[in-house]
Amino acid sequence: EIVLTQSPGTLSLSPGERATLSCRASQSVRSSYLAWYQQKSGQAPRLIIYDASSRASGIPDRFSGSGSGTDFTLTISRVETEDFAVYYCQQYGVSVTFGGGTKVEIK
Amino acid sequence: QVQLVESGGGLVNPGGSLRLSCAASRFTFSDYYMAWIRQAPGRGLELIAYITSDSAFFYSDSLKGRATISRDNANNFLYLEMNGLRAEDTAVYYCARLRLYFFYMDVWGSGTTVTVSS
Repeated sequence: EIVLTQSPGTLSLSPGERATLSCRASQSVRSSYLAWYQQKSGQAPRLIIYDASSRASGIPDRFSGSGSGTDFTLTISRVETEDFAVYYCQQYGVSVTFGGGTKVEIK
Repeated sequence: QVQLVESGGGLVNPGGSLRLSCAASRFTFSDYYMAWIRQAPGRGLELIAYITSDSAFFYSDSLKGRATISRDNANNFLYLEMNGLRAEDTAVYYCARLRLYFFYMDVWGSGTTVTVSS
């Protein structure tokens, strides 16, 4: 099983700052089959990035994904109030596993 | 727009059974793989079962032997029957659509809560 480790556990930022979230895999993720989800409190997750770097429909371009192999990054160029949430990565190259999440909170 | 609506959650005694339903609308349900994902209180996400468009299936080790996933393509429903429920099965259960040919979840329902407690 591919284990995904997300860091940091919590990221405290002010609106307008840049957010950089990391997702590290225990082994290489085939074909960069990695997705990112946003989950706001009390809501279902929402797909924001798939195939490591492709934005899902309706996702603002301040969200970007990058990486390959074992190291992946989700970047929010300028965090807005609505972006404060928990973010999960998920690999689908070999079976499916999720990371433990990174909480982006208001500083 | 595309919608998934879960139902069937509730409070159940340890050892009990439950059937969750997911009503799908505004897409060709029969074309898609569908999945159940759960989230225990304060915890992360866990894929527990999925079913292909022609009803092949997968179960996580945590539910294997205690759950049955099924689908009704004529009426656009996904189901999850669980038995032998344990306290650690307490979670929000989400129904999700898997993107065609890939295993990421592009549409999620709002979830239904299962609480296993006496």
